[in-house]
Amino acid sequence: KNEVEQSPQNLTAQEGEFITINCSYSVGISALHWLQQHPGGGIVSLFMLSSGKKKHGRLIATINIQEKHSSLHITASHPRDSAVYICAVSNSGGSNYKLTFGKGTLLTVNP
Amino acid sequence: DTGVSQDPRHKITKRGQNVTFRCDPISEHNRLYWYRQTLGQGPEFLTYFQNEAQLEKSRLLSDRFSAERPKGSFSTLEIQRTEQGDSAMYLCASSLGVSGRPGELFFGEGSRLTVL
Repeated sequence: KNEVEQSPQNLTAQEGEFITINCSYSVGISALHWLQQHPGGGIVSLFMLSSGKKKHGRLIATINIQEKHSSLHITASHPRDSAVYICAVSNSGGSNYKLTFGKGTLLTVNP
Repeated sequence: DTGVSQDPRHKITKRGQNVTFRCDPISEHNRLYWYRQTLGQGPEFLTYFQNEAQLEKSRLLSDRFSAERPKGSFSTLEIQRTEQGDSAMYLCASSLGVSGRPGELFFGEGSRLTVL
């Protein structure tokens, strides 16, 4: 079992829909990261959080430390949101600089 | 500052050749990471530098792989005697880490290696 599990693996939505991507992890963490990767490479950091909730524009990230679970929400989705969304955790303890990544969720938003 | 830059963006080579990738991190960032990503998978950790010191290497990094960060600024990742299984996207990231706390990661666009 991977230390970081994401669901769903693939998600197709219509423009305007509310999107939720889930991430569960099995290790102690110092921080959880949500990342966005467009086809062809580049990864962009969306959020780094260790508790509670963060919001940036139409994106919201929440984390429940007790349940070891995080969600990424996209409100009023748009075709430009189509990308792979990756959850990654920084392990607690001495190796907190090293991320363990989920396999990603491929989001396709149709116009 | 234009962020993390990687060079080359794409490299096609024949099996057995050596390749070298370069990463220029954000200038004030003390931490630099190399990751490898294959199709349909999340990135896998390869190695990590804090300033010029290479503090950890993944067991994925065989003896054909070597990484350096000689002056604590740019870093190079060299793969000797490339194999087809080395074909992947090699990602570099940097962060400003404060002791005991991870920093936000900034990724480069990646260097895609294809070994024929």
